[in-house]
Amino acid sequence: QQQVKQSPQSLIVQKGGISIINCAYENTAFDYFPWYQQFPGKGPALLIAIRPDVSEKKEGRFTISFNKSAKQFSLHIMDSQPGDSATYFCAASKSGSGGSNYKLTFGKGTLLTVNP
Amino acid sequence: DGGITQSPKYLFRKEGQNVTLSCEQNLNHDAMYWYRQDPGQGLRLIYYSQIVNDFQKGDIAEGYSVSREKKESFPLTVTSAQKNPTAFYLCASKSGHYTDTQYFGPGTRLTVL
Repeated sequence: QQQVKQSPQSLIVQKGGISIINCAYENTAFDYFPWYQQFPGKGPALLIAIRPDVSEKKEGRFTISFNKSAKQFSLHIMDSQPGDSATYFCAASKSGSGGSNYKLTFGKGTLLTVNP
Repeated sequence: DGGITQSPKYLFRKEGQNVTLSCEQNLNHDAMYWYRQDPGQGLRLIYYSQIVNDFQKGDIAEGYSVSREKKESFPLTVTSAQKNPTAFYLCASKSGHYTDTQYFGPGTRLTVL
């Protein structure tokens, strides 16, 4: 059972455009939602993360929008650049005491290509 | 220069052989993780360890084994019982119980010949 569904699988945008990647989760206990960026042959790197107490978080050109009632969150990349071309993964976990925040559940990834 | 190192970067194995993938971190993190990545499948958790001398199975532990004898090291052995071991293996670490960010190593690509 896939607990985090990510779409689209692939996305092509023009330089300067907006890239939007969506994720939906099922487990209402999740309370930490990170996005990772991965370049070919490299390990994923944390891009930005959000908790459910806010509906939006922005860091530079990257914004997470979070809709708790719909159990959805999305990554927006403004002014997309060719250097943003990578695979993006959303993930979710529940934090808390007793070590229960051990596990990140990942979406299957979105391959973003930004054309010059 | 703090971080997570994985070795080797590329590994080739003959069918029926066990191989061990190395993961070392100098971040003083308590928790360490092993993930497997296949094309179009995202990252799937193999094993994790929250403290030294303790580890738990993840979602796809069959055919794998780990040890956690030192805080900075979490080696993964891919045994001959793993039927489809060709994949990209990623090690990650996290500071402690009350932090959520996992940091990833550069990965090891294992190919079975």
